[in-house]
Amino acid sequence: GESVGLHLPTLSVQEGDNSIINCAYSNSASDYFIWYKQESGKGPQFIIDIRSNMDKRQGQRVTVLLNKTVKHLSLQIAATQPGDSAVYFCAETPSGGSYIPTFGRGTSLIVHP
Amino acid sequence: DADVTQTPRNRITKTGKRIMLECSQTKGHDRMYWYRQDPGLGLRLIYYSFDVKDINKGEISDGYSVSRQAQAKFSLSLESAIPNQTALYFCATSQISGSGELFFGEGSRLTVL
Repeated sequence: GESVGLHLPTLSVQEGDNSIINCAYSNSASDYFIWYKQESGKGPQFIIDIRSNMDKRQGQRVTVLLNKTVKHLSLQIAATQPGDSAVYFCAETPSGGSYIPTFGRGTSLIVHP
Repeated sequence: DADVTQTPRNRITKTGKRIMLECSQTKGHDRMYWYRQDPGLGLRLIYYSFDVKDINKGEISDGYSVSRQAQAKFSLSLESAIPNQTALYFCATSQISGSGELFFGEGSRLTVL
């Protein structure tokens, strides 16, 4: 029979606005947190990472914020462009050397021109 | 040329058939992974390999097997495909150290009728 997938959380923004994508993580012992971008028909691609001893890291047009108190991670995209439309995944990588990341469900970002 | 190459990109097969998905990489990474992606469920780990002699089960290994033929090659097999294995499959690689950043292939879409 037909399988029905879960609906992804979706964020719709206008071109030029700032976007904030949120992620809750579960493992307080995670060492790294990574954001990936997956465009339609492609594999996920690394955007930015942050180590657990930091609370903010900036890249080109992107900023990641880490709040370890509430186990929350966010990705801020400045001046969002149509090319930013994609599904965004957060991943947490445990400490201890295994480096096996665990992925969140993803958020679909839709940028309207 | 892509650093992580998956073949086939698309495959339609029937229940009970044996299927192999192949992955090769030119990044020189020791670590390779197979993930499954279903709508709204993110990426789930099937198997991973830290070097040629190392194979480990992920969270959803039942119904799958893998072979690490060389540092650069990691194949995923479905011995007897069933419809709920219809999904998008990704191969990924990573370095031994660092944040655990994964480098993904373009994906193999498998449909089991």
